[in-house]
Amino acid sequence: QKEVEQNSGPLSVPEGAIASLNCTYSDRGSQSFFWYRQYSGKSPELIMFIYSNGDKEDGRFTAQLNKASQYVSLLIRDSQPSDSATYLCAVNNNAGNMLTFGGGTRLMVKP
Amino acid sequence: NAGVTQTPKFQVLKTGQSMTLQCAQDMNHNSMYWYRQDPGMGLRLIYYSASEGTTDKGEVPNGYNVSRLNKREFSLRLESAAPSQTSVYFCASRVLVNAEAFFGQGTRLTVV
Repeated sequence: QKEVEQNSGPLSVPEGAIASLNCTYSDRGSQSFFWYRQYSGKSPELIMFIYSNGDKEDGRFTAQLNKASQYVSLLIRDSQPSDSATYLCAVNNNAGNMLTFGGGTRLMVKP
Repeated sequence: NAGVTQTPKFQVLKTGQSMTLQCAQDMNHNSMYWYRQDPGMGLRLIYYSASEGTTDKGEVPNGYNVSRLNKREFSLRLESAAPSQTSVYFCASRVLVNAEAFFGQGTRLTVV
């Protein structure tokens, strides 16, 4: 079992819809969680981080964390074609020194 | 602001050759990381350095060595390159554990 799992997709949504991306992790002691966006041929760039259970909103993006169920999700409201990319979930291990990534979910937003 | 700089950007090696990938950050970050990314896959951790003077293995360390030369620089060495090491390599750094990681632009390595 991989430590951080994501559905590889592609997830296809129409422009203006809500995109929902999910991630599960195996280290119950993990403390910090990150969502990165990666365009084809480019480096990952941070979208959001979340440390506490619940929701965290930043513009069109909402990160949700449920430590009891060991999942973290990212909602993108009013999806735009420019949101089409691969979204990577990253989780810090319990000790905090290793940052482990999931395989990524490819999102396609269709005009 | 340079951020995280990797050299070279592209490299082609023959099987059995050796090379060193260089990474430098100018953000005074304590932790540095080397990842590889294969087509359609996420990032897999090769080695990391939580702080200057320490290095540890990640998920896929076989065939690689690292050196944390100083606080700014963290190099990755392939002693005897194999076709299975064809990949895109990313270096990343962050100021503290649990903080956001910043990535370099990547090195595309092909081993023939």
